[in-house]
Amino acid sequence: GAGVSQSPRYKVTKRGQDVALRCDPISGHVSLYWYRQALGQGPEFLTYFNYEAQQDKSGLPNDRFSAERPEGSISTLTIQRTEQRDSAMYRCASSSVEYGGYTFGSGTRLTVV
Amino acid sequence: QQQVKQSPQSLIVQKGGISIINCAYENTAFDYFPWYQQFPGKGPALLIAIRPDVSEKKEGRFTISFNKSAKQFSLHIMDSQPGDSATYFCAARQGAQKLVFGQGTRLTINP
Repeated sequence: GAGVSQSPRYKVTKRGQDVALRCDPISGHVSLYWYRQALGQGPEFLTYFNYEAQQDKSGLPNDRFSAERPEGSISTLTIQRTEQRDSAMYRCASSSVEYGGYTFGSGTRLTVV
Repeated sequence: QQQVKQSPQSLIVQKGGISIINCAYENTAFDYFPWYQQFPGKGPALLIAIRPDVSEKKEGRFTISFNKSAKQFSLHIMDSQPGDSATYFCAARQGAQKLVFGQGTRLTINP
């Protein structure tokens, strides 16, 4: 596609529910990244993939968070048993070569009530 | 642990003036320093970037100055325009590809 596409754009969920956030990177981009951005703050690293391999998941806050990219294209970030503190903007980015600049998507605003 | 410190938090500049945003880092292993521009409701967009073997990089009205010994780098926006009003983030790459971001600077250019 023309840009990094994320869905849904907004998600409101009840505490304790599981949510899945989707990222469709720019076609052909090898690397895909997930970040979380609190209001008024810079993006905070969660995890990234090269092709389908998860290279670094050190930023995932706890084991309720997981991500996958099974075919090296679309990725899903899953949060199980959501808590209010999970409320944030979740951003996906992709890059074309291993050391290229990122292109960010518009994000998914998650609100846990 | 805050690895990239950015200042100021907010900045107001008159049209035509110079906007200056500063960042400092501690990890000498960082090897790539980009700046991102973010408009409301949009994702951050890469603006300009520099590597530590270069002291300055200029692209149009935007310049990065890099001081390796002081572990500081800054963004200068010359002839600032109202369309430059946005939030700016500095970042540093740690390891292979992970970026560490500063806290952001909300820039307002008054007409």
